[in-house]
Formats: sequence, structure tokens, C-alpha cells
Amino acid sequence: GAVVSQHPSWVICKSGTSVKIECRSLDFQATTMFWYRQFPKQSLMLMATSNEGSKATYEQGVEKDKFLINHASLTLSTLTVTSAHPEDSSFYICSAFRRTGLTGELFFGEGSRLTVL
Amino acid sequence: DAKTTQPTSMDCAEGRAANLPCNHSTISGNEYVYWYRQIHSQGPQYIIHGLKNNETNEMASLIITEDRKSSTLILPHATLRDTAVYYCIVRVVTAGGTSYGKLTFGQGTILTVHP
Repeated sequence: GAVVSQHPSWVICKSGTSVKIECRSLDFQATTMFWYRQFPKQSLMLMATSNEGSKATYEQGVEKDKFLINHASLTLSTLTVTSAHPEDSSFYICSAFRRTGLTGELFFGEGSRLTVL
Repeated sequence: DAKTTQPTSMDCAEGRAANLPCNHSTISGNEYVYWYRQIHSQGPQYIIHGLKNNETNEMASLIITEDRKSSTLILPHATLRDTAVYYCIVRVVTAGGTSYGKLTFGQGTILTVHP
């Protein structure tokens, strides 16, 4: 079963509104989660690293004021797309790292498809 | 992280083994090889990872060459549900720090399993 869950799976909103996407690790604690964006027929692009209890780290070219990330607990990170526009329409995917010994596995959520009208 | 090179696409007959190659000639000694796949409109799914020894789990086998410059993911009996984009990623995994889960995705290999 899924170990990282995203909600909602898909959302349609009007231009100018804000949309919140949740990412939860279901059976483990994740001090760090990651948010990716994927446009059609393209690969995943890392947007930001979400750190529990501190500010997120954004990749170059990603507007931190537009994509607000909050990691308030060890099992929940949220991504809020503020004042969404049609060009923000994309597939947003979160991930969380579950450590096992010296290495571990990065699990991904099911993704959230955002369509901005 | 070291760059990887994968074929753009591959075909495989259902029930046969699918062998997906990956070149990572600039891999360094502390970098692991990870494989993920992404079925259409879903999040990526972890398959397997390894450092230098061959690895096997319930999903696949990972064969890493002795010089570690290339690897092959083997799906022993491919099914139609294995049709997906397969990503080979190499990266350092450390016990500490916040970057250990950060992955850089290339274009991957589109594997099509046909009846």
C-alpha cells in the first residue's frame, strides 16, 4: 500500500485563487519531504525541499512567495499555489525519505493534478 | 550527482524478461544506483537500489558491472502493467543531512510491454 499520500488527487480552480496540496507520510516520520512538478511529457523537476520546523529550500527559478511550503509536523507537508494562473497547471508530486540503516528509500505520493482555468 | 544515460524507449513481449540498461560512467565511489518507474499519471514508484553488489527484490533485479560504470535493471517476467517510464538515478546517500532524498530525474526509458 501507499506510504506517502497526497490530497487532492486533482483540482480545478479559477485563475487568481489559491490551492493547497497536502502530502502525508503514512507509517513513518519524515523530517524532509520534497516537492516536484511535472509538465506533460516531461520529467520531474524538483521545486523545493520541505524541512520540518524550518523554512523550505527552493530550487533556482522557483518563486517561494508563489509556492508556499509548510512542514508543520513529521508526517505532513503542504504546498500552496498562491494566485494560481493557467501556466501553473501541472502535475505536482511530493516525496518523503524513509531511512533504512545507512541508506533508505524515497517514496512518492500519487501526485496532484492542478488545472487552472 | 553523476549523470546517467538511458535509451529513450524499449519494447518487451509480455512474459519475457525486460532488461533496461543505464550508463553512469562518472559515478563516484559513494554513489548508489537507484531505479524508479512512473506509470502514466502516477507518482514514481521505488523499484530497487544498490551500491556495487547485485541486488534482487520482489520486483526486479539490479546488476551492476564490476567497474560500476553501468547497470541493468531486470524485470524477470514483464507484464502489461510494467509499461512505464523507468528512471535510473545515481546519488550519494549519507546518514545525515537533508539532501539525501533529493533526486535529479533524467528523461528515463519508456518501456512498452506488448501482448
